[in-house]
Parts: sequence; structure tokens; C-alpha cells
Amino acid sequence: NAGVTQTPKFQVLKTGQSMTLQCAQDMNHNSMYWYRQDPGMGLRLIYYSASEGTTDKGEVPNGYNVSRLNKREFSLRLESAAPSQTSVYFCASRTGTGEQPQHFGDGTRLSIL
Amino acid sequence: QQPVQSPQAVILREGEDAVINCSSSKALYSVHWYRQKHGEAPVFLMILLKGGEQKGHEKISASFNEKKQQSSLYLTASQLSYSGTYFCGTPGGAAGNKLTFGGGTRVLVKP
Repeated sequence: NAGVTQTPKFQVLKTGQSMTLQCAQDMNHNSMYWYRQDPGMGLRLIYYSASEGTTDKGEVPNGYNVSRLNKREFSLRLESAAPSQTSVYFCASRTGTGEQPQHFGDGTRLSIL
Repeated sequence: QQPVQSPQAVILREGEDAVINCSSSKALYSVHWYRQKHGEAPVFLMILLKGGEQKGHEKISASFNEKKQQSSLYLTASQLSYSGTYFCGTPGGAAGNKLTFGGGTRVLVKP
């Protein structure tokens, strides 16, 4: 049972390059999320998808785009990477409502030079 | 809006107790608690659904006070394995699908 799978695990980019982070879950969850976590900081919500076909902005959406490709997959795209986007990115999923726990992937460690 | 956690950090000796608080400026109907070990993903601990309800995970318990719009996490007789960063999360959005986390509380348990 894989749970939430993120690829890649590590990536180094140059300023201005583009990149798509992939996330897939095999738990038949309706809702999926992207968070970023800067060193020593909390989790900040970038975008989320409450259900297939919908996406909504979180706290820090600027500089990012998302695609809910199907029920399993939710990708995060950086169109023109900036050093301020250096962070660990976590994807998460859950059944859908507030009473259900969120399951996290192992994270993607992204450095932008 | 992000919930606010306090304290930001706490250092304990094995066997000591600690309390972590999570407060929100908006009405809450549930609070999530997660723990993150260094270099790992956050892991779910528990969800508090009703005002005053207490739940437990190992010797970690929590309470939820709807009127005060806050939740507290209690680390009792702490063990070395309790070290990590604890986050509270509060649902929001149209149907409670959006989960926003506090800034976290770093806990270090020493022998």
C-alpha cells in the first residue's frame, strides 16, 4: 500500500527554469493538497483540490499552478522558479471532510540557485 | 487564517509533562494534531471533533474547547520518541476541505 507518492524526491533548479512536481495517491481520496515547508517553519498551504475537477488557492499560491489530472493525481508547477521557492514540498490527501485525517507524501526537496 | 500555537519550543527531560496550545480567531468545529520527526513527513495523531472532547494517542492526549476556540495537546510522562515538531490544523473553506496548519511547536525530550 503506497499511500501518497511524490516525485522527484530531490531537485536542483536554476532561477527561471520550470518544473512540475508530481503527486499520486492510491487511497481513493477525494481531496488533495500541496504545502511548502521552509526550514524551521510550519506548513503553508499552496493549493488544494477538494474533489476531482476543482482547485482552490491556499495561503501562498503566487508563482505556482496546479492540475488535478484525475482522482489519483495532483501536480504542482513552477513556471519560472525563484530562489524564494526553495523549500520542501509536501503533497497530502484525505477522504474529503474535516473529520478525516490527512495523509502526507515523503516530500520533494527543491533547491533553486 | 492560520491557527496560533504556543509555545514555539519546549525542552523536556524524560518523564516530564508538557502542554501545547492551539488557538484560532475563527469558530472551530474540529482540530487536527500531527507530529513531524526531523526530515520526515507529518504523521496524523488525532482529531478532536466536539467541544470538551478528549482523545489520546499513546500517552499523548488532547482537549478541545469550542467556546475558547482552542485546543491543547498534553504530553504526559514524555518519552524520547515524543521529540519532534507538533502541528495543529484547522479545517476551513466551503465544506471544511481546506486544512490550515499552525506554525508548529518543537519538542525535544532529553534523557
